Amino acid sequence: GAVVSQHPSRVICKSGTSVKIECRSLDFQATTMFWYRQFPKKSLMLMATSNEGSKATYEQGVEKDKFLINHASLTLSTLTVTSAHPEDSSFYICSASIQGGPEQYFGPGTRLTVT
Amino acid sequence: QKEVEQNSGPLSVPEGAIASLNCTYSDRVSQSFFWYRQYSGKSPELIMSIYSNGDKEDGRFTAQLNKASQYVSLLIRDSQPSDSATYLCAVNGGSGTYKYIFGTGTRLKVLA
Repeated sequence: GAVVSQHPSRVICKSGTSVKIECRSLDFQATTMFWYRQFPKKSLMLMATSNEGSKATYEQGVEKDKFLINHASLTLSTLTVTSAHPEDSSFYICSASIQGGPEQYFGPGTRLTVT
Repeated sequence: QKEVEQNSGPLSVPEGAIASLNCTYSDRVSQSFFWYRQYSGKSPELIMSIYSNGDKEDGRFTAQLNKASQYVSLLIRDSQPSDSATYLCAVNGGSGTYKYIFGTGTRLKVLA
């Protein structure tokens, strides 16, 4: 149980374009999902907390207009990187909490490369 | 600023030995503590969660929590080369939120 999927696993896009990443909880309902990014050999940096049916809460320093988060259902959250630039290249990972629980289960991650 | 600290390592142990990983945290109101394993290029995988003082065992893994001293540790018995990975300590920030604060991780190398 507690399986989280992400799609796509890898994406290469050109500078200036937008990329959408999907995060799904496959066998449970996730009231809350989290989006992280991770640079090589660094720890995970929380970008935002996404609650179903409400606006995401962004961490300090994360541009909400650049990283659009939508959590339209209890099993799906999406992250859209708008007008991507090479510095947005990173490993993006989502996680989900089972309703009412503190444990986070991570998706396999999406490696974004912006050329 | 709430912090979670880990020794970055690498921690090298011979196969079959006990690996001991430590983590300290600064926020006294923290309620939940987690250990994740992350292989290179992969996402974190939950190994253990611990919520109350003392030891919690699951197979070869034992998590230890001491809230008074604000530290949590992970012991891996009979270490295997496949245990070689980065181990991340995560602390729930308390205050009704399920946000984690992650440590920077300890890289473990199990030598065959």
